[in-house]
Amino acid sequence: GIQVEQSPPDLILQEGANSTLRCNFSDSVNNLQWFHQNPWGQLINLFYIPSGTKQNGRLSATTVATERYSLLYISSSQTTDSGVYFCAVPASGGSYIPTFGRGTSLIVHP
Amino acid sequence: DAMVIQNPRYQVTQFGKPVTLSCSQTLNHNVMYWYQQKSSQAPKLLFHYYDKDFNNEADTPDNFQSRRPNTSFCFLDIRSPGLGDAAMYLCATSSGGVDTQYFGPGTRLTVL
Repeated sequence: GIQVEQSPPDLILQEGANSTLRCNFSDSVNNLQWFHQNPWGQLINLFYIPSGTKQNGRLSATTVATERYSLLYISSSQTTDSGVYFCAVPASGGSYIPTFGRGTSLIVHP
Repeated sequence: DAMVIQNPRYQVTQFGKPVTLSCSQTLNHNVMYWYQQKSSQAPKLLFHYYDKDFNNEADTPDNFQSRRPNTSFCFLDIRSPGLGDAAMYLCATSSGGVDTQYFGPGTRLTVL
């Protein structure tokens, strides 16, 4: 099945800093999602981004499908950005079953 | 305007005592998923329904079962919980095909 690797596994920032999280995948995909898991455990959709660039406030994401990676940018980080960030891609072809990466754990200190 | 609702949010049960977790959705999505997530790990798919069509992951223990009586509701039954079943259980939905998944807030299960 498709392999999904996220880096870095852990990230510690001071409030106000910028960061880039990476998601590499081993095969072509037609769907990629970024999620934020908050400290209470809920997974929140950030982006549905099979290709191109999207922005939502301080967050933006870029997927380069031909090179099999996606990047999540967090600018001017805040303590509320803390949590785990997951990317997920279809297990195969047009599957509606996602394969998750292992996540990047982010801690933002005040 | 919650879209995927899980009850209860926290569940404590005793070793071997059956427990049922519930999930409901207001999105009218075809697909409903149950995941188990343990600390510092990615969510692990247990099973999913496409409409009434049930799909069990190969490594889901027999101790876990699921029911989907209608489009809106889905249940996870753990017949004889062991200490290793303590985890966060996440329900999610999607319309099927290439589409976004929506997650509920999760149920955190403790087994004493």
